[in-house]
Amino acid sequence: KQEVTQIPAALSVPEGENLVLNCSFTDSAIYNLQWFRQDPGKGLTSLLLIQSSQREQTSGRLNASLDKSSGRSTLYIAASQPGDSATYLCAVSPIQGAQKLVFGQGTRLTINP
Amino acid sequence: GAGVSQSPRYKVAKRGQDVALRCDPISGHVSLFWYQQALGQGPEFLTYFQNEAQLDKSGLPSDRFFAERPEGSVSTLKIQRTQQEDSAVYLCASSPRTGGYGYTFGSGTRLTVV
Repeated sequence: KQEVTQIPAALSVPEGENLVLNCSFTDSAIYNLQWFRQDPGKGLTSLLLIQSSQREQTSGRLNASLDKSSGRSTLYIAASQPGDSATYLCAVSPIQGAQKLVFGQGTRLTINP
Repeated sequence: GAGVSQSPRYKVAKRGQDVALRCDPISGHVSLFWYQQALGQGPEFLTYFQNEAQLDKSGLPSDRFFAERPEGSVSTLKIQRTQQEDSAVYLCASSPRTGGYGYTFGSGTRLTVV
């Protein structure tokens, strides 16, 4: 059974710092990996999607990497801003049953002005 | 509509009561998903529809949970004889594709069973 783990569970940093969020998964047979953002009381917003054949994706100040063989992904946020405060969720789409996503428990990020 | 709409936003149910949660996906989206998110946890898959067909219901936690999408658009998640452990946010997502991407999530229904 695929399991996804995110470390740390919570992170608080001052504005302007660069930071890294970590995600690990137990089964490398994945179709893709996605990073989502969740604001309190809101749904999930997709940030980046990495196909299994790719190593990284970039969008603005965000960069996500994927090492499928070791079961790891990182989300790098450059020059953090208070508006980046949210919960960040990592999710994998298994090859068997690609329609469903298996989520980690999330990292709650707080950027202090 | 522009996004996935879920109603009600909040629901308080007495233990043993039946509840129905509604999801209006983006028009034309083929795929529809339900997820359950407990407090402080990531969402967990419940069920998946492709048009009106329920192709995967492996995540439904018990036979008290039932989902339908009779005309391939609006979906309803029904929970019978609610229990306290059913308290969670129920998220609906839709996608124009049948693969594992292109999701748009709704804001969820927060169910509290007292």
